[in-house]
Amino acid sequence: AQSVSQHNHHVILSEAASLELGCNYSYGGTVNLFWYVQYPGQHLQLLLKYFSGDPLVKGIKGFEAEFIKSKFSFNLRKPSVQWSDTAEYFCAVTNNAGKSTFGDGTTLTVKP
Amino acid sequence: DTGVSQDPRHKITKRGQNVTFRCDPISEHNRLYWYRQTLGQGPEFLTYFQNEAQLEKSRLLSDRFSAERPKGSFSTLEIQRTEQGDSAMYLCASSMGQEYQPQHFGDGTRLSIL
Repeated sequence: AQSVSQHNHHVILSEAASLELGCNYSYGGTVNLFWYVQYPGQHLQLLLKYFSGDPLVKGIKGFEAEFIKSKFSFNLRKPSVQWSDTAEYFCAVTNNAGKSTFGDGTTLTVKP
Repeated sequence: DTGVSQDPRHKITKRGQNVTFRCDPISEHNRLYWYRQTLGQGPEFLTYFQNEAQLEKSRLLSDRFSAERPKGSFSTLEIQRTEQGDSAMYLCASSMGQEYQPQHFGDGTRLSIL
């Protein structure tokens, strides 16, 4: 069965701190990996994605993620967070049959 | 890009009633997904369509749930004989036709069962 695990349910950081959110997935075949973000009062939107090529992918607003196949991981990073990064972050995988599985999300609170 | 539109935004109904939700995807997107999300959880996959064909359906979906996309454009999700446990946010998303394409989400329909 396909599953996604996000290790941190709630992360609280001060502005300018570095961020790393963990994501591990379980699936035996080829996967397409995504991070989505949901800002307060808004709908889910894409932050970044990986499906092939360079395992280090860059997304919007200075976010990046690294796909490590041997660890089944796709961790999200940002070197210096801002107050406006306060949001909920979801890791997701889509297999080649089109089925998508999301993690339970990590709520990030950035203190000014 | 006018975005994914869902209607209604909120639905309150009594247990045992039937409800139907509508989703209008981004016009050039041929894939359409339905999810259910409860507090503290991520979106839970229910089903998806490629054009008008329903290609994948979660085993978690009971016989009370049905989805259609008759002309490959808008979709409806119907829940029959609603139960308390059906209270959730129902999300719709659309994408271009490959698995690596990102999904574009609507604002969701919040269902409350009295």
